Amino acid sequence: ETGVTQTPRHLVMGMTNKKSLKCEQHLGHNAMYWYKQSAKKPLELMFVYNFKEQTENNSVPSRFSPECPNSSHLFLHLHTLQPEDSALYLCASSQGLAGGSYEQYFGPGTRLTVT
Amino acid sequence: AQSVTQPDIHITVSEGASLELRCNYSYGATPYLFWYVQSPGQGLQLLLKYFSGDTLVQGIKGFEAEFKRSQSSFNLRKPSVHWSDAAEYFCAANYGGATNKLIFGTGTLLAVQP
Repeated sequence: ETGVTQTPRHLVMGMTNKKSLKCEQHLGHNAMYWYKQSAKKPLELMFVYNFKEQTENNSVPSRFSPECPNSSHLFLHLHTLQPEDSALYLCASSQGLAGGSYEQYFGPGTRLTVT
Repeated sequence: AQSVTQPDIHITVSEGASLELRCNYSYGATPYLFWYVQSPGQGLQLLLKYFSGDTLVQGIKGFEAEFKRSQSSFNLRKPSVHWSDAAEYFCAANYGGATNKLIFGTGTLLAVQP
């Protein structure tokens, strides 16, 4: 595997379900990100992790719970979601954080549908 | 507030024609600037970036972008579009800080006519 991978690619879940999204980066990076992409809206940054430590939570509802066990893996645990949470969830990674010059590399995303 | 504007939601060009996609960033300190492309059902792929120096930057797939400080713009260009360029294009800015936060525009959807 190369780059950033995400599983599953598609997920349909009911509002009472609990599911998890997985992201893995094979680039040796230290920072990882979750973004939400909804139709006709700019990409929204959700969470940022650097060396497994959360450095940003962009006012995300608690029904989204991130986990970063190591610098290569990032999870997004989902529970009691709402239909408006249906979106494409993108994971990204970068070599570092500070300064703003670090390029972010994106995975293919998980298309989530909440019924 | 820091923002990125892509004025064109949808553009259609003929195959072989030239292309220019517009991007403006909010006035203030010059951010690091990026263009990404997203094909249907895929993630974002980095086309090119501007950090400093030469204001004309070359990217992958024959794309280039020109940074113009006076216009707060970073427009993406391609001299001859191919059918495979049909995708959505996102301009993004990073104003620095501790979290490497990218601010994205709303995207421009490019359609290519045969």
